[in-house]
Amino acid sequence: RKEVEQDPGPFNVPEGATVAFNCTYSNSASQSFFWYRQDCRKEPKLLMSVYSSGNEDGRFTAQLNRASQYISLLIRDSKLSDSATYLCVVNETSGTYKYIFGTGTRLKVLA
Amino acid sequence: GAGVSQSPSNKVTEKGKDVELRCDPISGHTALYWYRQRLGQGLEFLIYFQGNSAPDKSGLPSDRFSAERTGESVSTLTIQRTQQEDSAVYLCASSFAGGSLETQYFGPGTRLLVL
Repeated sequence: RKEVEQDPGPFNVPEGATVAFNCTYSNSASQSFFWYRQDCRKEPKLLMSVYSSGNEDGRFTAQLNRASQYISLLIRDSKLSDSATYLCVVNETSGTYKYIFGTGTRLKVLA
Repeated sequence: GAGVSQSPSNKVTEKGKDVELRCDPISGHTALYWYRQRLGQGLEFLIYFQGNSAPDKSGLPSDRFSAERTGESVSTLTIQRTQQEDSAVYLCASSFAGGSLETQYFGPGTRLLVL
């Protein structure tokens, strides 16, 4: 089982749609969780951190379920500019801070 | 302020040659990471530097790979006797202190092609 697993997609959705991605992680001792966004041939950039209580930033909502070991990202009212690959990132603190990246979920928002 | 910079942006080399990739982290950031991303794949952790502590080299795929960092500044990733499977984008990231809740800031990457 991979340490961090994501559905690679692609998710093709119309503008204005709501779309959700899940990510599962294998290490129950994982400490912190993030969603990064990566545009084609660009470097990843932080979208949002994921807090235990869940958190929202505009149209984006992130949730953490420790019992089931998954995190989710919900995007409401999708925009064309949301088209990108969304990377799930988990921090496994094992003496040093190592971040494990999922392979990403590709989203394409269609006009 | 300036972000993470990497050089060269693109590198084409012949199999068996050595290459050196450079990363300039954000000034004041003590933590520095190297990752490899093959085409269509996720990021693969290579090595982590934190201040003057011993680096975490657990992600280096073979002894052909090595990395150095001078204090809390520039880092170089060296790949000796390159192989075609080394072709990938090599991404460097830095964060303020390497804490588990910190944002990593990525450079634009070096695209390496081994012929």
